[in-house]
Amino acid sequence: AQRVTQPEKLLSVFKGAPVELKCNYSYSGSPELFWYVQYSRQRLQLLLRHISRESIKGFTADLNKGETSFHLKKPFAQEEDSAMYYCALTGSGGSYIPTFGRGTSLIVHP
Amino acid sequence: EPEVTQTPSHQVTQMGQEVILRCVPISNHLYFYWYRQILGQKVEFLVSFYNNEISEKSEIFDDQFSVERPDGSNFTLKIRSTKLEDSAMYFCASGESKGLFFGSGTQLSVL
Repeated sequence: AQRVTQPEKLLSVFKGAPVELKCNYSYSGSPELFWYVQYSRQRLQLLLRHISRESIKGFTADLNKGETSFHLKKPFAQEEDSAMYYCALTGSGGSYIPTFGRGTSLIVHP
Repeated sequence: EPEVTQTPSHQVTQMGQEVILRCVPISNHLYFYWYRQILGQKVEFLVSFYNNEISEKSEIFDDQFSVERPDGSNFTLKIRSTKLEDSAMYFCASGESKGLFFGSGTQLSVL
């Protein structure tokens, strides 16, 4: 079974502070990890995929297989980063259906 | 930029009534999904659809639920006899293989 855990329901920081949104996963095979973001009153949208190794809107995430983590990081938070962030996992064994974590609400104060 | 569209954005219905939620996926995508999100809870998988048939479904997707692709573009979710606990935001998504594009959701309220 695949599982995604986002331990923090809410993360509150001030503008310019570093941000780390935690994601841990459980999966026996080789997973693909994603971060999705949902801004207020907008749809869920893909933020980044671990295999792309890209930085989107200043966010990066590194897959750490030893710690089974895929934490999302940004060195300097901006107010417009305030949103709900969901970590998701798909397995490599034939099921491409993403399993989502509970989400972390990020609030960036001015 | 192509996007997944969902209608209606809000649907209010009486318990026991049937509802149909509509989605137009991105045209060249092959995989279609329905998810739901009960207020304050996580996004939950309902069903996936590929090659004109259900490929996987969760335990939530019981006999009250059905999906159809009636005309090659629309992708519908039908709830036959709604219950109070069906109140949620329902998201349609489509994708080529991995990495989904979501619609803006239909907020279903069952009274």
